[in-house]
Amino acid sequence: DGGITQSPKYLFRKEGQNVTLSCEQNLNHDAMYWYRQDPGQGLRLIYYSQIVNDFQKGDIAEGYSVSREKKESFPLTVTSAQKNPTAFYLCASREDRANEQFFGPGTRLTVL
Amino acid sequence: QKEVEQNSGPLSVPEGAIASLNCTYSDRGSQSFFWYRQYSGKSPELIMFIYSNGDKEDGRFTAQLNKASQYVSLLIRDSQPSDSATYLCAVSDNFNKFYFGSGTKLNVKP
Repeated sequence: DGGITQSPKYLFRKEGQNVTLSCEQNLNHDAMYWYRQDPGQGLRLIYYSQIVNDFQKGDIAEGYSVSREKKESFPLTVTSAQKNPTAFYLCASREDRANEQFFGPGTRLTVL
Repeated sequence: QKEVEQNSGPLSVPEGAIASLNCTYSDRGSQSFFWYRQYSGKSPELIMFIYSNGDKEDGRFTAQLNKASQYVSLLIRDSQPSDSATYLCAVSDNFNKFYFGSGTKLNVKP
């Protein structure tokens, strides 16, 4: 089956710890995205990447970092500099020359 | 900041009725418009997209776009309880970034 996978589904972090969220896609899509969703709110763009070894900051990149070493993988690290990281994190991908994004199942991060 | 506005709802309609969801956007350069459905605790799933002014129909769903008024809507005919979800409007300027509204919660009552 083709699709986007995210792991883990649930993640608990202590304050001061860095954590990395995984996103993998086997759709051969070029572009990948990370969004954050808070309760009752829409999606806010953290980072996006249109090609391997290149990525751009979104609207709320502070406290986050990413890498894009392989086309199918786009991990997100939530650093201790992110002051309020508890949220639902969504990864998405998009085929080149297409405008539609498709989402993974999400990771729910809770800071204890 | 590019804004996408939606009424948060909840919008309640009886089963079998037409549900009308609305969205306005601030950037006149927006070229592509999307409707996503999101069930509680799940990720968004794409329902429809529209690029040109006018109507686009897909089964029970119709998307309507009016670029002059910066307005896009989604009509759901013959609403079913399974349509109860939050509907997210998204716009793109075709430069690879997407902007989402906060969503409208729809309740379809049996």
